[in-house]
Amino acid sequence: DAKTTQPPSMDCAEGRAANLPCNHSTISGNEYVYWYRQIHSQGPQYIIHGLKNNETNEMASLIITEDRKSSTLILPHATLRDTAVYYCIVILANAGGTSYGKLTFGQGTILTVHP
Amino acid sequence: NAGVTQTPKFRILKIGQSMTLQCTQDMNHNYMYWYRQDPGMGLKLIYYSVGAGITDKGEVPNGYNVSRSTTEDFPLRLELAAPSQTSVYFCASERGRPNYGYTFGSGTRLTVV
Repeated sequence: DAKTTQPPSMDCAEGRAANLPCNHSTISGNEYVYWYRQIHSQGPQYIIHGLKNNETNEMASLIITEDRKSSTLILPHATLRDTAVYYCIVILANAGGTSYGKLTFGQGTILTVHP
Repeated sequence: NAGVTQTPKFRILKIGQSMTLQCTQDMNHNYMYWYRQDPGMGLKLIYYSVGAGITDKGEVPNGYNVSRSTTEDFPLRLELAAPSQTSVYFCASERGRPNYGYTFGSGTRLTVV
């Protein structure tokens, strides 16, 4: 699975958009980009994932560059409750569509949303 | 729909004691996983299961055992607790497609003294 690189920490003002970058320059053609977050002491929470196209759901948007070597998670209107560690993970999905749990969680980005 | 339920939430063990961490999911997911997370670190995969009766080792299986007799339950057994097993343990499940992500439990905080 491709390795990812994220900044260790970021700050964001409440109500503003939070843009979290992730580099995955060694990603292969059938690897997905997933984003999870972990709020202090809680289990990780799935946010969004994508393969090639940009994706949006009720929580966030995911922008993947055309060469797929980097992506950005966008929280359009950050709130204090979005303060968490955000993990960008690249997963090789097999034909059946699972990665067999091999979510390699690195250090992630600590996002702090302040008033 | 409770999702993934882990018990207990907290436990203190003495060195050499044994215990079972319970994990149950009510989503009929085929795939289930156990992770540990040491302070300030990312998650590491201990064991996983692709269905009832089928389990396999993850990245850090030493000192642990698992079983999967039903789709719902995936207990993690620590036979001889060691201080190095002090950690937060998370159970997760997955339907088996990439469109759904993983659902994690709230964790079990284990301290071995």
